[in-house]
This record gives sequence, structure tokens and C-alpha cells, in this order.
Amino acid sequence: KNQVEQSPQSLIILEGKNCTLQCNYTVSPFSNLRWYKQDTGRGPVSLTIMTFSENTKSNGRYTATLDADTKQSSLHITASQLSDSASYICVVRTTGNQFYFGTGTSLTVIP
Amino acid sequence: KAGVTQTPRYLIKTRGQQVTLSCSPISGHRSVSWYQQTPGQGLQFLFEYFSETQRNKGNFPGRFSGRQFSNSRSEMNVSTLELGDSALYLCASSLVLAAYNEQFFGPGTRLTVL
Repeated sequence: KNQVEQSPQSLIILEGKNCTLQCNYTVSPFSNLRWYKQDTGRGPVSLTIMTFSENTKSNGRYTATLDADTKQSSLHITASQLSDSASYICVVRTTGNQFYFGTGTSLTVIP
Repeated sequence: KAGVTQTPRYLIKTRGQQVTLSCSPISGHRSVSWYQQTPGQGLQFLFEYFSETQRNKGNFPGRFSGRQFSNSRSEMNVSTLELGDSALYLCASSLVLAAYNEQFFGPGTRLTVL
């Protein structure tokens, strides 16, 4: 069964600290994996898109990794800021153009 | 460049009614995708339109339909509304098919079915 699981479900960290969010998937045949950030009351914003051959991609303080062999991805946030408080969603796409969404990790950054 | 716009932003309907939501993509974008987001199910893909043709469809009943116009604007229609249709409906646009391109999301339409 094609599934995308994210952990933790929620996370609270102090401003300035780093954190890592996890995404494990059983989706196949794999095409690409995307991380989105969604602020409360707004639409998701794309952070990274990674294909099978890419194992690291950065976007500012956000760095995503992909291990296609173990079907795991992580999103690392460096030097967190209050504005990083949001829901982070992992989405896996198949070569047949089907999308599978994780239920997200809710991150709260406190001062 | 203006972003993706969705109208209306909020909508309240009663069971059995129908509703039409509108999405205007970023200028030059030809693909529009629709998603449903609920607290219990998270984000779920509804369908994608490209060049006025439905190119991809999620696992939703036939009550959910859409269309795309020649200017790439898209509408989504839900007929015979049920309580479970209460959700945030998001529209996303991309230059070409979403499979190969970054998507840009609109702010969503919050639909409440009473």
C-alpha cells in the first residue's frame, strides 16, 4: 500500500535551535519527493523538490535529504526562527503521476 | 507578478446544495490542480487541468468536478453537498504539468457545510 508517514506529529523548539523532520514512504514507482511549508490559514509553499538521483537539496536554512534505497527523507531546519512555526508536509509522486501526502509535522518555535 | 487567487475565500452552504469555486492561476501558468484539506485526512488531490483538459484525477466521487477555460482559469464544482465536504479547498498552478514543475498554491476557499 502506498503511504507517506511523517514524524514527529508535532514539535516545539526554542528559537535558534536546529530540528529535523522525518518522512518515510512506501510509494512506488517513485518519481519525486516534495517538502512544503504551510502557515496557518494559508496555502502550502514549496521548499524543495527532489528526484531519485538527488540526495540533498537546500533552500536557505532548509536542507532536505533523500535516501531512495531506504525510502526516507528528512527536512533539517537550521537556526530556527519564530516564522518557521508552521506545518511541514511531505508529498511523494509516482511515475504514474499519482500524489501521496503525509499528514504533516506541526512545528512551533518559541522565543 | 500576482499570485494564485481563489474566490470566494469563505463559503457557507447547507447539505444538498451545490457550490462552485474559482481559481485564477499565475499569469502564464497553464496547469491548475485542486486539493481538499481537512484536519482528519490532510491534503488530498482532486484533479489537475492542463490546456482545458483533465490530465489527472484523484479518488473522489463524481460529485466533484472541474473545468478549465482557455485563459487557464479553473472552476471546481461540488454537487449535493455533504457535511464531510467541509474543508479548505486549495488550488495550485504551475507552468506545465505539476508532475514536472513547481506548484504555487492559492490561499484556499474555506467551505463549511451545515
